[in-house]
Amino acid sequence: DVKVTQSSRYLVKRTGEKVFLECVQDMDHENMFWYRQDPGLGLRLIYFSYDVKMKEKGDIPEGYSVSREKKERFSLILESASTNQTSMYLCASIGFGRAVTEAFFGQGTRLTVV
Amino acid sequence: QKEVEQNSGPLSVPEGAIASLNCTYSDRGSQSFFWYRQYSGKSPELIMFIYSNGDKEDGRFTAQLNKASQYVSLLIRDSQPSDSATYLCAVNEGNNRLAFGKGNQVVVIP
Repeated sequence: DVKVTQSSRYLVKRTGEKVFLECVQDMDHENMFWYRQDPGLGLRLIYFSYDVKMKEKGDIPEGYSVSREKKERFSLILESASTNQTSMYLCASIGFGRAVTEAFFGQGTRLTVV
Repeated sequence: QKEVEQNSGPLSVPEGAIASLNCTYSDRGSQSFFWYRQYSGKSPELIMFIYSNGDKEDGRFTAQLNKASQYVSLLIRDSQPSDSATYLCAVNEGNNRLAFGKGNQVVVIP
């Protein structure tokens, strides 16, 4: 069974802290993505990666960075957390599923920055 | 960023009725289209995908694609309370990068 695992379901951090969100997939997919989801704004792409050590900016990369040192792991880093980064963060691994290339999502991390 | 629009507000349907959701997209070159269902507090899951113009049926779900008019729709027949969720339209922008609409909330009233 396909599995994308995010390290935390809920996280509370203080303003200015460096925050690491981890995502691991077991499907040997090359493509991994980080989104944030906010009410009324939908899913917005932060960063994505097509291969180890490769990264591409998405639509809202400001204030974030990523790391992909191993194929199965894609980390999202908030360099200095701010309250406007309070959100639901979703990691996705994209590859061949039910006869189609589809996105498999992790369970999400709800981050609150206080 | 290519646009994916889901403009209608929350949709309330009686149990057993048909729920109809619409989505338009801006990139005429888009080739593959997806509908994801997201229950409150959960992550999205794929329920339908479509590549070709016309209808595609899977159980109580039917996806309809019209590339000339750049829209894709989802019909849920015989709606059940378990269908109450947010439905996200997604378009493959190329290189497996998906653009998502903002979603439509569906509430099925018993």
